Amino acid sequence: GNSVTQMEGPVTLSEEAFLTINCTYTATGYPSLFWYVQYPGEGLQLLLKATKADDKGSNKGFEATYRKETTSFHLEKGSVQVSDSAVYFCALDASGGSYIPTFGRGTSLIVHP
Amino acid sequence: NAGVTQTPKFQVLKTGQSMTLQCAQDMNHEYMSWYRQDPGMGLRLIHYSVGAGITDQGEVPNGYNVSRSTTEDFPLRLLSAAPSQTSVYFCASSYGEGAGGTEAFFGQGTRLTVV
Repeated sequence: GNSVTQMEGPVTLSEEAFLTINCTYTATGYPSLFWYVQYPGEGLQLLLKATKADDKGSNKGFEATYRKETTSFHLEKGSVQVSDSAVYFCALDASGGSYIPTFGRGTSLIVHP
Repeated sequence: NAGVTQTPKFQVLKTGQSMTLQCAQDMNHEYMSWYRQDPGMGLRLIHYSVGAGITDQGEVPNGYNVSRSTTEDFPLRLLSAAPSQTSVYFCASSYGEGAGGTEAFFGQGTRLTVV
């Protein structure tokens, strides 16, 4: 079956530090990959996505590249801000599937001034 | 557009009580789903629907019922609440577009405590 594994948190950084959150997946076929973000007290919202191998998704300074050879979709940001503090979820949606995404366990990011 | 609306936002139940968590979307999405979020467990799928009249079980369906009589609404029923059902519940919807790649839209969540 489909599964997503992401690094455990919390990840604690100082403002302007470089961020990487690792995500690897297992899926049949050719999944689309997503990163969602959850701010405190809110629901999840889409941060970025990539639908095929070698695609790069980007939004708000965050980037992730779909790597089929390593089955990975790592999230990166060059300079984090305090406002980026949130929980980040990696997810996949297998092609030809039910459009009901499979999520990783989430990684909490805490950014200090 | 309101998007995905969940009610109530907070609820306290006594063990054995029943209740319905409401979810409505105004985006004409075919696909709707319910998740629960627990510390260290991420999001776990409870039930989902791929269209009006069609529902199926997810990863953790026991103790919950769903129905989908309209495209807009997808209520989640707790039949006899147990403390293990204390959690934050999220409803989500999405549309099908070719071979995957569609985003899910989430409600704000319902924080349920069973005492």
